Amino acid sequence: QVQLEESGPGLVKPSETLSLTCSVSGGSLSSGSFYWSWIRQPAGKGLEWIGRIYTIGSTNYNPSLKSRVTMSVDTSTNQFSLKLSSVTAADTAVYYCAAPGDYYDSNGYPLDAFDIWGQGTMVTVSS
Amino acid sequence: QSVLTQPPSASGTPGQRVTISCSGSSSNIGSNYVYWYQQLPGTAPKLLIYKNNQRPSGVPDRLSGSRSGTSASLAISGLRSEDEADYYCAAWDDSLSAMVFGGGTKLIVL
Repeated sequence: QVQLEESGPGLVKPSETLSLTCSVSGGSLSSGSFYWSWIRQPAGKGLEWIGRIYTIGSTNYNPSLKSRVTMSVDTSTNQFSLKLSSVTAADTAVYYCAAPGDYYDSNGYPLDAFDIWGQGTMVTVSS
Repeated sequence: QSVLTQPPSASGTPGQRVTISCSGSSSNIGSNYVYWYQQLPGTAPKLLIYKNNQRPSGVPDRLSGSRSGTSASLAISGLRSEDEADYYCAAWDDSLSAMVFGGGTKLIVL
């Protein structure tokens, strides 16, 4: 069973870059889920999809964050990463890494059913 | 302001049937699958429904999902105290090329 675990600084200064890593265990990042996602949740608020990166490296980002987001995959360490630049207090949130489970449409394409989640990591943007 | 609209709260007594709605548009719910998640306090969301009305293994059949046009709903029958949680709908949005979530509905079991 694939498991995910986020790691990274819990405190980031305004205008700096937030960097998080998601470690994949119980399976290979390159042979598991078709893509890997980041989702965040400010305290007391709803979920916001940040984006996803496919195992081959292509990406889709939330248009509202696209100019500041970079995702990458490192198959040698079985990790994928998120970088969010020029952060402000509005970026303070719990950040989750997530992946779709083994659910496919009629064409064999994986569904966007996030069945695997990390436990989440709180990131506070403050000076 | 979320792309998908959910009521902020819903409530019911044990044993009752409760429905949570999710309203979208032709670019998301109207043309793509709907997913539902349950989030207990302090935990990561859990997938409840995929492909509009399919339940992952382990999700009880007293939970059901449906989609009609640009709206979807999650129904929980035989309400239990452990169902008290936040519920989120989600769908891919073709116009945004992004996954969008509803604002969430807090379900209170009275």
